[in-house]
Amino acid sequence: KAGVTQTPRYLIKTRGQQVTLSCSPISGHRSVSWYQQTPGQGLQFLFEYFSETQRNKGNFPGRFSGRQFSNSRSEMNVSTLELGDSALYLCASSLGGPQGASNYGYTFGSGTRLTVV
Amino acid sequence: GIQVEQSPPDLILQEGANSTLRCNFSDSVNNLQWFHQNPWGQLINLFYIPSGTKQNGRLSATTVATERYSLLYISSSQTTDSGVYFCAVGGAAGNKLTFGGGTRVLVKP
Repeated sequence: KAGVTQTPRYLIKTRGQQVTLSCSPISGHRSVSWYQQTPGQGLQFLFEYFSETQRNKGNFPGRFSGRQFSNSRSEMNVSTLELGDSALYLCASSLGGPQGASNYGYTFGSGTRLTVV
Repeated sequence: GIQVEQSPPDLILQEGANSTLRCNFSDSVNNLQWFHQNPWGQLINLFYIPSGTKQNGRLSATTVATERYSLLYISSSQTTDSGVYFCAVGGAAGNKLTFGGGTRVLVKP
């Protein structure tokens, strides 16, 4: 079956602009979560969605937001981009469940590499 | 939140050597995964192993949940094993994974 699909793969934006990243999970997976990877901070959790509801959010400013659609596809948005937002953004797909996503294995997409200039 | 520590941070191996990577975590978990990050950034799932032992080819992993650690074994290493290995854990609540800092492995021919 198809894996987790993230688009676009690469993106260059200017400070102050906004950006939208997309993630299509594995068919049948209802939980989608997002992670940011930078050389200085490593891999950090952004947020998790299940059945169109955000269940958890990491310690990021309000400029970072996301949503999930009824087909489980998810988007994340970063407004007013800063140089420090340059990172690899990874989306993970999991079966999830009302009791939580942590009880299931996560599969990651190839990521979107965002460069802010 | 849960703290995850991986050791060693860097590992240089000669092709054919065996190695052990360690992951310590600070609280009980119901999810533990090992990933290999390839040069293009993708996290490849190696094992889903909240407890017990699993093997897949030259790789195997053991998690001792009661003692809060997990080990990843690489046997007969190959140059294609190079990359960064991450341990990630999930608690009973939170719907998220917490990652360790990774172990960077370089296998020399």
